Amino acid sequence: DSGVTQTPKHLITATGQRVTLRCSPRSGDLSVYWYQQSLDQGLQFLIQYYNGEERAKGNILERFSAQQFPDLHSELNLSSLELGDSALYFCASSVGQSLYGYTFGSGTRLTVV
Amino acid sequence: AQSVTQLGSHVSVSEGALVLLRCNYSSSVPPYLFWYVQYPNQGLQLLLKYTTGATLVKGINGFEAEFKKSETSFHLTKPSAHMSDAAEYFCAVTPGGNNDMRFGAGTRLTVKP
Repeated sequence: DSGVTQTPKHLITATGQRVTLRCSPRSGDLSVYWYQQSLDQGLQFLIQYYNGEERAKGNILERFSAQQFPDLHSELNLSSLELGDSALYFCASSVGQSLYGYTFGSGTRLTVV
Repeated sequence: AQSVTQLGSHVSVSEGALVLLRCNYSSSVPPYLFWYVQYPNQGLQLLLKYTTGATLVKGINGFEAEFKKSETSFHLTKPSAHMSDAAEYFCAVTPGGNNDMRFGAGTRLTVKP
């Protein structure tokens, strides 16, 4: 157990729907990062939050949004889902600065049918 | 901007043979470099990292990597492969601070008996 908890582990939904992925960071970590992993795109950085504030944005679609709550857990919202959004979504956390490395959760596998 | 290139999407070695996974980086500032391992259906786990100081870095499971600034490389090695080393390996780079981490495309290591 890495200490980063992601729920749900698996999600199957239809095109056009909206889903929410949840992440609880490791105790003491203030930064949360979201990544999308697919066979054709590899690991793509989506977005970073630090202590409730958005810090950096990567290749995140406008249909996707995220937030980090006062208790530091984070949610990634995916809407108007398309078949191409099927992927593994990872959350990672760190104390603050990236040079310490990240701790990854086990991921949420999203399948859009 | 920072990026890493992993040479070889698939590497196959025999059990007991040397493992060499190649990673070259591009960075406009002194980089912090990482290797992560991903076992099937799991999240990424930190193997080792280079921040400052000694350029030969030792990690878990007998892996090590050497930072070579002149070659912009951070190759991962292990003297003797074990069946349990079969996994996907990712090289990553960050400039540090509150910046995010960028990952390579990954190298799948197969270990033959």
